[in-house]
Amino acid sequence: DAGITQSPRYKITETGRQVTLMCHQTWSHSYMFWYRQDLGHGLRLIYYSAAADITDKGEVPDGYVVSRSKTENFPLTLESATRSQTSVYFCASRTGQGSTDTQYFGPGTRLTVL
Amino acid sequence: GNSVTQMEGPVTLSEEAFLTINCTYTATGYPSLFWYVQYPGEGLQLLLKATKADDKGSNKGFEATYRKETTSFHLEKGSVQVSDSAVYFCALLMNTGFQKLVFGTGTRLLVSP
Repeated sequence: DAGITQSPRYKITETGRQVTLMCHQTWSHSYMFWYRQDLGHGLRLIYYSAAADITDKGEVPDGYVVSRSKTENFPLTLESATRSQTSVYFCASRTGQGSTDTQYFGPGTRLTVL
Repeated sequence: GNSVTQMEGPVTLSEEAFLTINCTYTATGYPSLFWYVQYPGEGLQLLLKATKADDKGSNKGFEATYRKETTSFHLEKGSVQVSDSAVYFCALLMNTGFQKLVFGTGTRLLVSP
């Protein structure tokens, strides 16, 4: 399917476990992003990537790791999950840096850490 | 730093009512401005945008005008429908450096028949 997909859509895990959230886009967009959505905070940027093998921290990167070995994939790993990481996670992609470039979002992954 | 402030919700309206959701921004420079919409259980979708002062973005009956003098980008619709029930996010994008969207906290709209 064309577009941007995330898996799993729902995940329940326990404190201390490692969790990886997957993101895949079919457009070959250069830029990809990970956000978390929490009530009262809107969307906060965790990490972003300008191209394969180029990643950088966003607003709330602590406790998260990303990689981007292929343009189309941008997995987000929680190395040792904590309850404060319970959230809805959104992946997004964008063609370029211009203001005319639209940013597309995946459907989200709802993560619960017990 | 750059930031976006939206009115708190929820905004509760009856079908066919007029909608305004306020959005103001703080930015060093002249950002592009966006409204995104999130329907239940889905990701965000771009609703409309404006890239310079006095531009009006419009889509699906929604409008917003980029007002530099009041640093605002209020969302309006003349007659809302039940299907407009969603969360609306205002966002800005600076046109210098690596361009990252900065979002407001979102405003939930509930439209009843």
